[in-house]
Amino acid sequence: EPEVTQTPSHQVTQMGQEVILRCVPISNHLYFYWYRQILGQKVEFLVSFYNNEISEKSEIFDDQFSVERPDGSNFTLKIRSTKLEDSAMYFCASSVGGPLQNEQFFGPGTRLTVL
Amino acid sequence: AQSVTQLGSHVSVSEGALVLLRCNYSSSVPPYLFWYVQYPNQGLQLLLKYTSAATLVKGINGFEAEFKKSETSFHLTKPSAHMSDAAEYFCAVNAKAAGNKLTFGGGTRVLVKP
Repeated sequence: EPEVTQTPSHQVTQMGQEVILRCVPISNHLYFYWYRQILGQKVEFLVSFYNNEISEKSEIFDDQFSVERPDGSNFTLKIRSTKLEDSAMYFCASSVGGPLQNEQFFGPGTRLTVL
Repeated sequence: AQSVTQLGSHVSVSEGALVLLRCNYSSSVPPYLFWYVQYPNQGLQLLLKYTSAATLVKGINGFEAEFKKSETSFHLTKPSAHMSDAAEYFCAVNAKAAGNKLTFGGGTRVLVKP
């Protein structure tokens, strides 16, 4: 069964460093998303991406964040200069069509720890 | 704006007992509602979804949920808990006016006692 994969599963970085979280969405999906979950808090939407551009982003997704689909398979989230408060589990998701009805398939997540 | 409230961050049930997880939503337009489950060290998996068809929705693993507009609720139930149901469960809403995203509740962790 097709699934969303994410690498790495754990990432430890120093404050101020850049990190890139990688995701491989399901191959025939067209919509891609990033969510995050700070420990003990809700899963929060960060950004959605369609047709090679951001379709929506939350207030969390500031200039320190960027997303890219560098090739036909990967979808990446870059945090330019990490802060302590960026420590969280980051989930990638994808869907065949628009999100209103189509199921979003989630990856297992990348746990980011910023020291 | 849309929001989701899940009552109870932890629920403990005995094996074979009813599982009831509560979810209330707030949405200015008719919503689409989802329940996701997260097993340890895994991603979020869709259990079921309501998309304005039947108000009683059946999902995987014997779970079902009923959409009640008058109560703005979408509670998740399973008649008989199995040990394998131990996981965290998330209710989520997506309303057209809110754009291109899922808004999640805080999650309910289910413990199943033998």
